[in-house]
Amino acid sequence: AQRVTQPEKLLSVFKGAPVELKCNYSYSGSPELFWYVQYSRQRLQLLLRHISRESIKGFTADLNKGETSFHLKKPFAQEEDSAMYYCALSSGGYQKVTFGIGTKLQVIP
Amino acid sequence: GAGVSQSPSNKVTEKGKDVELRCDPISGHTALYWYRQRLGQGLEFLIYFQGNSAPDKSGLPSDRFSAERTGESVSTLTIQRTQQEDSAVYLCASSRQGAPDSPLHFGNGTRLTVT
Repeated sequence: AQRVTQPEKLLSVFKGAPVELKCNYSYSGSPELFWYVQYSRQRLQLLLRHISRESIKGFTADLNKGETSFHLKKPFAQEEDSAMYYCALSSGGYQKVTFGIGTKLQVIP
Repeated sequence: GAGVSQSPSNKVTEKGKDVELRCDPISGHTALYWYRQRLGQGLEFLIYFQGNSAPDKSGLPSDRFSAERTGESVSTLTIQRTQQEDSAVYLCASSRQGAPDSPLHFGNGTRLTVT
């Protein structure tokens, strides 16, 4: 079975402070990990994927297979980063995608 | 191009009635997913389609829930004899076939309220 755990429902940080949204997963094979974001009144959308090793809007995430983690990080939070963030796992190919419960990031001006 | 479209955007129904929710995926996307999001909760997987077949129906909460897809396009999620606990936002997403890291493209959802 595949499982995604996001331990924090709410994370509040001050503008300019570093951000780390935690994500741990459980899966026996080789997972594909994603972060999705939902801004206020917008649809859920992809933020980044581990396979691309990209930085989007200043966010990065590194897959740590030893710790089965895929934490999302940004060195300096901006007010526009306030949103719901979901970590997701896919077993690849034509399999289902499992989401975590989501973390609400609140950036305080 | 057009994104994933869901209809209706809002649905209020009385307990015991049947409802049908519709999803139009992005053209050419052969994978289609349904999720449920209750207030204050995360995304709960319901079912996904590869083409017109559903390899994984494990998330359907009860036999009151069913889904079908035709023409590798439109999908409908039907809830029979609705209950108040069915109240939620129902999200549909689609993705390309074959790409190992193909992301999901979500619709705006259907907000279902059972009174």
